[in-house]
Amino acid sequence: GQSLEQPSEVTAVEGAIVQINCTYQTSGFYGLSWYQQHDGGAPTFLSYNALDGLEETGRFSSFLSRSDSYGYLLLQELQMKDSASYFCAVREGQAGTALIFGKGTTLSVSS
Amino acid sequence: DAGVIQSPRHEVTEMGQEVTLRCKPISGHNSLFWYRQTMMRGLELLIYFNNNVPIDDSGMPEDRFSAKMPNASFSTLKIQPSEPRDSAVYFCASSLARKGYEQYFGPGTRLTVT
Repeated sequence: GQSLEQPSEVTAVEGAIVQINCTYQTSGFYGLSWYQQHDGGAPTFLSYNALDGLEETGRFSSFLSRSDSYGYLLLQELQMKDSASYFCAVREGQAGTALIFGKGTTLSVSS
Repeated sequence: DAGVIQSPRHEVTEMGQEVTLRCKPISGHNSLFWYRQTMMRGLELLIYFNNNVPIDDSGMPEDRFSAKMPNASFSTLKIQPSEPRDSAVYFCASSLARKGYEQYFGPGTRLTVT
């Protein structure tokens, strides 16, 4: 079967670093995406990893290990506005295929 | 670009009524996805199209649900008849088929069936 596992909730304080893990078990794998969704809003694309290693985009970084079927999203210098839900999503096939989304991790940042 | 456009933004209807949700994808995108989001089930893929052709509708919960994409700039999701358990936020998203990992979501339609 297909499954993506991520923690349901994470809490942190402003200025801290937080890591949101995602482990997956799917029939195919071409890459791992991350999306952010603020309460009442729509998911927005953050990053995509097709190869092993770390991709950095500003305060956010995403890591992938294909051999471990594992990835994470790293958020640095946390700000209150980072409070949101974060979803990992697996791309099972090449062009023209859909994503499989995890259940999401709710991040709460406090001052 | 205006982004993905969905209408209506909110819909309240009575059980048994027909509901039609509309989506205009980003110009140039050739993949379109319909999702449903609830607290209990999370974000579920209902159906997706490539070049206006339905590719996978295995996520459509029942025959009460149907989706069409008559052209590259318009898609509809219809529920007939609607039931209270259909209450959810319905998102439409679009992407380039070769970059399906980077989807652009519309603002969603919040559907309440009483």
